[in-house]
Amino acid sequence: DGGITQSPKYLFRKEGQNVTLSCEQNLNHDAMYWYRQDPGQGLRLIYYSQIVNDFQKGDIAEGYSVSREKKESFPLTVTSAQKNPTAFYLCASKKKYRDSPLSGANVLTFGAGSRLTVL
Amino acid sequence: QKEVEQNSGPLSVPEGAIASLNCTYSDRVSQSFFWYRQYSGKSPELIMSIYSNGDKEDGRFTAQLNKASQYVSLLIRDSQPSDSATYLCAPPDNYGQNFVFGPGTRLSVLP
Repeated sequence: DGGITQSPKYLFRKEGQNVTLSCEQNLNHDAMYWYRQDPGQGLRLIYYSQIVNDFQKGDIAEGYSVSREKKESFPLTVTSAQKNPTAFYLCASKKKYRDSPLSGANVLTFGAGSRLTVL
Repeated sequence: QKEVEQNSGPLSVPEGAIASLNCTYSDRVSQSFFWYRQYSGKSPELIMSIYSNGDKEDGRFTAQLNKASQYVSLLIRDSQPSDSATYLCAPPDNYGQNFVFGPGTRLSVLP
C-alpha cells in the first residue's frame, strides 16, 4: 500500500545536537511538506518542496534545513540553532503542488509523525 | 496572511447528540475547505472536503459552507465516543498550493 513513512517515531536530542527526521513516500506525489505541531496548537509550516531539488521556506523555517534529492524523500534536519525544538513533526505530501483548489486530488496525506524531545 | 479561526474547545457533548464545529477565515477567498480529524498523538486524517456553497453529507458527517461569510461548519450526528478527537479546519490558498490550518477544536463525546 502507498503511504508516507516517517522515522524515527520518537527521538531525543541533547542541546547543541543536530538531528535528522526521515520522510519517505511511495505515492508518486510531487509536493512534500514539513509541519510542526506544539501541544494544543494547529500545524505550522516549516518547509515545502514542489519538485526535486527545489524547496521553499514556510512560516517557521529558522533553525531547520531540508533537502529534496529524490522525489520520494524529504528529510528534515533540526539544527542546534532551533532553540525550542521539542514538538511533534509531521511530514505530508500532495499529488501536485499547484492544483485547482477544487480538485479532488488536492489533499494532503500525512505520515505518522515524529516526536522530538530535547533533554 | 490568512487567519483561520475555530471555536475554542474543548467541546463536550453526550453520546448520541449532534456536535457542531465551526471555522472561519479571513484575508482571502478560499475555494474549498478540508476537515481533518486528529486523534491524540496521531497524525491528521481527512474526513471531509467541500467545494460548493451549501451542505455536503457523508455518513454521520455534514459539512456546511458559506463562501460569502467565509464560514464552514462540520456537524457530527449521533456522536460516538470514538469521535473524540481534535478537528482541524484547513483551507488551501487560492492556488491550491499551501494549506493554512486552524488551531483545532477538541471534541469530547461522553458515554
